[in-house]
Amino acid sequence: EPEVTQTPSHQVTQMGQEVILRCVPISNHLYFYWYRQILGQKVEFLVSFYNNEISEKSEIFDDQFSVERPDGSNFTLKIRSTKLEDSAMYFCARGRRGVNNEQFFGPGTRLTVL
Amino acid sequence: KNQVEQSPQSLIILEGKNCTLQCNYTVSPFSNLRWYKQDTGRGPVSLTIMTFSENTKSNRRYTATLDADTKQSSLHITASQLSDSASYICVVTADYKLSFGAGTTVTVRA
Repeated sequence: EPEVTQTPSHQVTQMGQEVILRCVPISNHLYFYWYRQILGQKVEFLVSFYNNEISEKSEIFDDQFSVERPDGSNFTLKIRSTKLEDSAMYFCARGRRGVNNEQFFGPGTRLTVL
Repeated sequence: KNQVEQSPQSLIILEGKNCTLQCNYTVSPFSNLRWYKQDTGRGPVSLTIMTFSENTKSNRRYTATLDADTKQSSLHITASQLSDSASYICVVTADYKLSFGAGTTVTVRA
């Protein structure tokens, strides 16, 4: 049973369009993360979200990105005006703080910007 | 700057054979080191986690080692199976932040 589900599994969009990627954690954890992985490259941290607020973000997470937990359950990543270089796999992870900082990754959303 | 380097970049092995993947890191302060398996088009799945005081950790046919002095880790796959074909990613945690290696792509052939 997956720890996290993500929708859609694949999103194709035109450059300049807005996209919303969704993440649904199975368990009621407070820590959420978004990562992206451009094809053939390493996984990169985008943002962490704790208690309905951004706790940390990377240089990649610029003004065109935003995160929300609109209904207290789903966790969304919005890209306002997509660029070709936004094409990547986007992974949501849920986590819990502690000695091991366990993070459980979702299956990912493949975003293709044309 | 925290860095995680993995080698080799890729390898091909025959089914039933063993292989060893390497990970070197410069991450501070060190919290733990994980090995993840990532199947093509899927999210990473944790195989092992090791803290500073642990030298060896096994999970079925996967055995990870950690030398905290030299900042090196290895993942040994025993008696490989076709389903072991995947990318294996070394991830080091420092202050709750994860630093990812680029991964080693393992291809197991019959």
